[in-house]
Amino acid sequence: QSALTQPASVSGSPGQSITISCTGTSSDVGGYNYVSWYQQHPGKAPKVMIYDVSKRPSGVSNRFSGSKSGNTASLTISGLQAEDEADYYCSSYTSSSTVVFGGGTKLTVL
Amino acid sequence: EVQLVESGGGLVQPGGSLRLSCAASRFTFSSYEMNWVRQAPGKGLEWVSYISSSGSTIYYADSVKGRFTISRDNAKNSLYLQMNNLRAEDTAVYYCARAGLELPFDYWGQGTLVTVSS
Repeated sequence: QSALTQPASVSGSPGQSITISCTGTSSDVGGYNYVSWYQQHPGKAPKVMIYDVSKRPSGVSNRFSGSKSGNTASLTISGLQAEDEADYYCSSYTSSSTVVFGGGTKLTVL
Repeated sequence: EVQLVESGGGLVQPGGSLRLSCAASRFTFSSYEMNWVRQAPGKGLEWVSYISSSGSTIYYADSVKGRFTISRDNAKNSLYLQMNNLRAEDTAVYYCARAGLELPFDYWGQGTLVTVSS
């Protein structure tokens, strides 16, 4: 199972919006609405920010939103804040009853 | 607040074995699916294994199939990962994570470091 494809890095200034893409196949991202996004700060465990493509867990800011088109899912962060600087990973359920993660995207807030 | 605490990591030689544990508390452990996810130093997340709430359904990543065994003891609120025939590429922080597969990993432990080196 190959990892989902994410850009290695993205950046934005405070207050701006950024979007991180996550490309898979019809056997994972495109085949199921079970895409999640995780935020990981250095030395910390990941935290789920979006699940089921576009749902936000309780307590997660509404500045985080998710979407999907075909085999590509996207995470958008609006109104960028300094504390958003972190690594972001997408994940998807697969047709093999496994989970596949993306390679991760480093978000830099300029 | 849900708590997951991993233990059992350490330094092991290639070909050796190690057993990781994850102690769960502050939720009804027996009602939840559980997973192991790992992260090699400076690298991304990799899903390792899944076990259903009863332990009757188990899945593995191809990279560990035949070498790792996931199990759980609901009476002890504990999740385990028996790792045999370890390789250098198994070096990683191993996290236990609640739920998974179709469900998001909603809670994670702090991780335990496994280093495979001679």
